[in-house]
Amino acid sequence: AQSVTQPDIHITVSEGASLELRCNYSYGATPYLFWYVQSPGQGLQLLLKYFSGDTLVQGIKGFEAEFKRSQSSFNLRKPSVHWSDAAEYFCAVALDQTGANNLFFGTGTRLTVIP
Amino acid sequence: KAGVTQTPRYLIKTRGQQVTLSCSPISGHRSVSWYQQTPGQGLQFLFEYFSETQRNKGNFPGRFSGRQFSNSRSEMNVSTLELGDSALYLCASSLEAGLAGAKLYFGPGTRLLVL
Repeated sequence: AQSVTQPDIHITVSEGASLELRCNYSYGATPYLFWYVQSPGQGLQLLLKYFSGDTLVQGIKGFEAEFKRSQSSFNLRKPSVHWSDAAEYFCAVALDQTGANNLFFGTGTRLTVIP
Repeated sequence: KAGVTQTPRYLIKTRGQQVTLSCSPISGHRSVSWYQQTPGQGLQFLFEYFSETQRNKGNFPGRFSGRQFSNSRSEMNVSTLELGDSALYLCASSLEAGLAGAKLYFGPGTRLLVL
């Protein structure tokens, strides 16, 4: 069965430090991959998505993610974290084109940013 | 442009009752998806509607149903409420269904508490 794993429940980083949030998926074919961020009072917002092509994708707010087929991973990165990045981050996968809005979400990683 | 709106924002019901939640998508968006978010199960897909037709349905019992109106507004209904239905119910809209519309805009959610 398809699944999305975010192994880190909670990560704490210092402001200005680099960030990497891990995401692994289990699915036979190449899935359609997403990262969403959920901030209090802001709702879920799409950061970036990968369908095909260049395996390094750029998103909003300075985030990027790299798709690695060999590792079934789609890790999210940011070179320098800002205090406003504190939120919960969700990796998600859609299994096919018709179900592109039928997303399987990981359990989320809560990011705390310390000054 | 106004975002996705959901009403009511908070709701308290008792077991056995039924509840109807409403979602107004962003103007021009034709696809509406519903998700349930709980601490234990995380974010789970309920169903997606496009042009008043249900396109996809998640793994939820028949007590959960929905519909979409000609103006793209959507409602979801939960009958015979159970304690485990307590959750944040999120509505998301997108321009189109499928990959062409694979950017979900989420509303703030309706928090349902079942006593």
